[in-house]
Amino acid sequence: ETGVTQSPTHLIKTRGQQVTLRCSSQSGHNTVSWYQQALGQGPQFIFQYYREEENGRGNFPPRFSGLQFPNYSSELNVNALELDDSALYLCASSFPGPTRAYTFGSGTRLTVV
Amino acid sequence: GIQVEQSPPDLILQEGANSTLRCNFSDSVNNLQWFHQNPWGQLINLFYIPSGTKQNGRLSATTVATERYSLLYISSSQTTDSGVYFCAVDRSPGAGNMLTFGGGTRLMVKP
Repeated sequence: ETGVTQSPTHLIKTRGQQVTLRCSSQSGHNTVSWYQQALGQGPQFIFQYYREEENGRGNFPPRFSGLQFPNYSSELNVNALELDDSALYLCASSFPGPTRAYTFGSGTRLTVV
Repeated sequence: GIQVEQSPPDLILQEGANSTLRCNFSDSVNNLQWFHQNPWGQLINLFYIPSGTKQNGRLSATTVATERYSLLYISSSQTTDSGVYFCAVDRSPGAGNMLTFGGGTRLMVKP
């Protein structure tokens, strides 16, 4: 059983640029969620995808967008990067049901300069 | 939205000591998980425990859903236990759910 994998592990972008982060969900999981974790804080929910459609969104602006593909992998896109977007971005997969445990990837550390 | 508070925020232990971490939440939940975040940032799932008690080696957890709190017990702590422990909850019974995290407990175990 493979876990959740994210790429890249680190990247540095310039303010105003666009970035795409990728996530492969755990085998058998059809739901993917993205979280932003600023330094010293708990993760904050960005959005969730279920069966290729956005299925819940946190308090993030529209320049944060995503996709889920038929194989349940996912992308997080951030446009017009701002310095405050510097954070660890975590992807989690899960399977809807009574025991809906989430499995997290190792994250992508984004630095905006 | 639901509020999640963890205590203590910081904890320093000598190797071999025991500890209890607490998580209080403001409303009924369908999911509660405890995570350990290692120095590389990965969140490792320790327990899925919306109610009841579970044990896994030196770790155990208890959630009292009716009183809206959960406890994580670490016995005979080791230096590898160091890191940040998060409690996270969600309320939704179906799809569209989101995890709300507490602020974490930063644990340092000294040799």
